[in-house]
Amino acid sequence: GAGVSQSPSNKVTEKGKDVELRCDPISGHTALYWYRQSLGQGLEFLIYFQGNSAPDKSGLPSDRFSAERTGGSVSTLTIQRTQQEDSAVYLCASSFRQPGYNEQFFGPGTRLTVL
Amino acid sequence: AQSVTQLDSQVPVFEEAPVELRCNYSSSVSVYLFWYVQYPNQGLQLLLKYLSGSTLVESINGFEAEFNKSQTSFHLRKPSVHISDTAEYFCAVTSPGAGSYQLTFGKGTKLSVIP
Repeated sequence: GAGVSQSPSNKVTEKGKDVELRCDPISGHTALYWYRQSLGQGLEFLIYFQGNSAPDKSGLPSDRFSAERTGGSVSTLTIQRTQQEDSAVYLCASSFRQPGYNEQFFGPGTRLTVL
Repeated sequence: AQSVTQLDSQVPVFEEAPVELRCNYSSSVSVYLFWYVQYPNQGLQLLLKYLSGSTLVESINGFEAEFNKSQTSFHLRKPSVHISDTAEYFCAVTSPGAGSYQLTFGKGTKLSVIP
């Protein structure tokens, strides 16, 4: 079956521009996570969606970052007024419904470069 | 709050030699522990996990890790490495008992297997 897909695979933008990154989770997975992988910080949690519950936004680094999940499936991560320190690989993961452990499956990531 | 420390950022090892990648965690509640692997130009894949029960867990490709609660460690070992094991390895923790389902990652260890 299809895995987690992300688009675009690469995005180059200019400082100050807004960007949108898309994640299509595995069909049937109700939990969705965004992480960021950067050279200096490693892998960091950004935001978590579970079904219709309010998302856990505790990992978002600033109010320039936001995410939404439409229809309990596709998610979009938006970064407004991008800065050079936003350059990173943005990873999406999905899993079956909590509680209890369910493996998170990761997408290939979107590499964002802010010039 | 929880954290993960991977003590070695890079580990070079000769082919067929043993290897140990170290991971220590900090958490005030019970945890689940994971090792993820990222092969060059590929996404994150789950290598093995500890949820409960036997403290020694194994992967299908010969890696094993042992959960040591007293030392708060989850070191990854392989008795004989292959060239194909060259990758970056990430230790991660989650604490579902505290309502936390996101993964907290270490900064990763790059394993380079030398022919």
